[in-house]
Amino acid sequence: EDQVTQSPEALRLQEGESSSLNCSYTVSGLRGLFWYRQDPGKGPEFLFTLYSAGEEKEKERLKATLTKKESFLHITAPKPEDSATYLCAVQAGTGNQFYFGTGTSLTVIP
Amino acid sequence: DTAVSQTPKYLVTQMGNDKSIKCEQNLGHDTMYWYKQDSKKFLKIMFSYNNKELIINETVPNRFSPKSPDKAHLNLHINSLELGDSAVYFCASSFSLSAGELFFGEGSRLTVL
Repeated sequence: EDQVTQSPEALRLQEGESSSLNCSYTVSGLRGLFWYRQDPGKGPEFLFTLYSAGEEKEKERLKATLTKKESFLHITAPKPEDSATYLCAVQAGTGNQFYFGTGTSLTVIP
Repeated sequence: DTAVSQTPKYLVTQMGNDKSIKCEQNLGHDTMYWYKQDSKKFLKIMFSYNNKELIINETVPNRFSPKSPDKAHLNLHINSLELGDSAVYFCASSFSLSAGELFFGEGSRLTVL
């Protein structure tokens, strides 16, 4: 069964304390892996797309990487404004189906 | 100017009632979606439309009926609401069916009492 699992469920960091969020997936026919950020009371906002193992994308303090079985979202020297839920999604199969993980809730403490 | 807008933002209603949520996108995208997000933040696709044509209809009770009058609009009507329908419903759009970047609305929080 196609599945996307994110860990940890919740993460609390001190401002400046770098860490990584994990997204592991078991799908057939991966077409792309996506990271989204969701703030409370808002819809998810697109961050990155990764298509193949070894690919990396960066944006400010965030860097996303992809292997054949998982993706990491690395957060370097986070700030309180990075606090949000980070969602991972994969697009797979002939029907271009999206499968979302349940997210990691990140809190960055000043 | 909001790219994907949905109304209303909040709905509170009694079991058995009928309600509708409207969605509009001004991005010129061909594909629109309805997602349901439960209390654990899990986003599950309900429907997708491409150029007004229904493409994906996941296992959703037939009390849920989407309608796309044109490719910029996708509305969701729910009949005979049940307690389990309480959730946040998100509308989203993408450039095409194969495009991976989704643009989401702000969500409509439905509470069924």
